[in-house]
Amino acid sequence: EPEVTQTPSHQVTQMGQEVILRCVPISNHLYFYWYRQILGQKVEFLVSFYNNEISEKSEIFDDQFSVERPDGSNFTLKIRSTKLEDSAMYFCASTNRAGTDTQYFGPGTRLTVL
Amino acid sequence: RKEVEQDPGPFNVPEGATVAFNCTYSNSASQSFFWYRQDCRKEPKLLMSVYSSGNEDGRFTAQLNRASQYISLLIRDSKLSDSATYLCVVTLMNRDDKIIFGKGTRLHILP
Repeated sequence: EPEVTQTPSHQVTQMGQEVILRCVPISNHLYFYWYRQILGQKVEFLVSFYNNEISEKSEIFDDQFSVERPDGSNFTLKIRSTKLEDSAMYFCASTNRAGTDTQYFGPGTRLTVL
Repeated sequence: RKEVEQDPGPFNVPEGATVAFNCTYSNSASQSFFWYRQDCRKEPKLLMSVYSSGNEDGRFTAQLNRASQYISLLIRDSKLSDSATYLCVVTLMNRDDKIIFGKGTRLHILP
């Protein structure tokens, strides 16, 4: 069964450093998402991406965040200058059709900011 | 009022019992509804979509009441492997990309 993959599984970084989290969505999917989950808290929507542009973003997704689909397969989330509060699990998801179709989640990247 | 609100849990239930989860949503423009399960330190996985007519999948039954803005999930004959956190998920009409998760209800099935 096709699946969403994410790398790395765990990223440790110093506060103020840039990080790039990588995702490979399911190949025929058209809609891509990033979520985060701070330990013990709920899954929070960050951003959705369709047709090579952001279609929706949350209040969390400020100027420090950006997304890109550089080569038609990878989907990346960049945090320019990490803060302690960015420590969380980051999940990528993809789907064939927004809203009504199942979103398939990747296994997540655990980001630890020291 | 929170956008998606679930029972705080945790639920500790003996194996074989029936468990009911409740979820309410605040935005009447909500369009699609789902139950996901999330195992500890793992990604959410779709359990089932929720339709107005109600739907059943084996031991799992989901119901939607749009008038009351309420969603439920029933698990019958619970098994040890059902232990997980159950997440209520809602998407907003005309903003198909706005997906809102509830905080989840943790379920422990006791042997």
